[in-house]
Amino acid sequence: GAGVSQSPSNKVTEKGKDVELRCDPISGHTALYWYRQRLGQGLEFLIYFQGNSAPDKSGLPSDRFSAERTGESVSTLTIQRTQQEDSAVYLCASSFLAPASGSTDTQYFGPGTRLTVL
Amino acid sequence: KQEVTQIPAALSVPEGENLVLNCSFTDSAIYNLQWFRQDPGKGLTSLLLIQSSQREQTSGRLNASLDKSSGRSTLYIAASQPGDSATYLCAVKSQHDYKLSFGAGTTVTVRA
Repeated sequence: GAGVSQSPSNKVTEKGKDVELRCDPISGHTALYWYRQRLGQGLEFLIYFQGNSAPDKSGLPSDRFSAERTGESVSTLTIQRTQQEDSAVYLCASSFLAPASGSTDTQYFGPGTRLTVL
Repeated sequence: KQEVTQIPAALSVPEGENLVLNCSFTDSAIYNLQWFRQDPGKGLTSLLLIQSSQREQTSGRLNASLDKSSGRSTLYIAASQPGDSATYLCAVKSQHDYKLSFGAGTTVTVRA
């Protein structure tokens, strides 16, 4: 596609509910990243996929957070039993090359999903 | 852990003035540094990427400098326009992993 897309653009949920956030990366991009941005703060790395595998899940805030990627394309970030501190904008990015040293890949970001937990 | 700081947090200038945005980082072992623009309701747009071996990059009215040894980068925007109003984010890519570490951003308002 023309760019990274995310859905929904906005999600309001009640505390304790589960939510799913979707990311469609740029076609052909091998790497996919999830970040979180709380109000007034910088972006916080959550997880990275190379193909369908997530080599590093250490950025996930708790075991309520999980993510998967299928077909080396779409990724879903799931938050179970949402808490008010989960309220943030969740951003997805993709890049063409594996982000190893020596790579000059640029990450292209989607518009984000604004999650509000009441 | 890499810490990225951006000063000032907000900036308001009249149209035509030059903008100077500062970014500092604690670990100089970086692979590259990027400046992004973020507009409300939209994703991040990459403005300039400076490799660790470079001192500066220029694109149109934008110029970014990098002093890796002192852990600093500066984004200059010449002859600002109302359309430059946005939040500008600095992000550092470590030599050791693939993560981007972001600053909290500088929110710029250019008054017509």
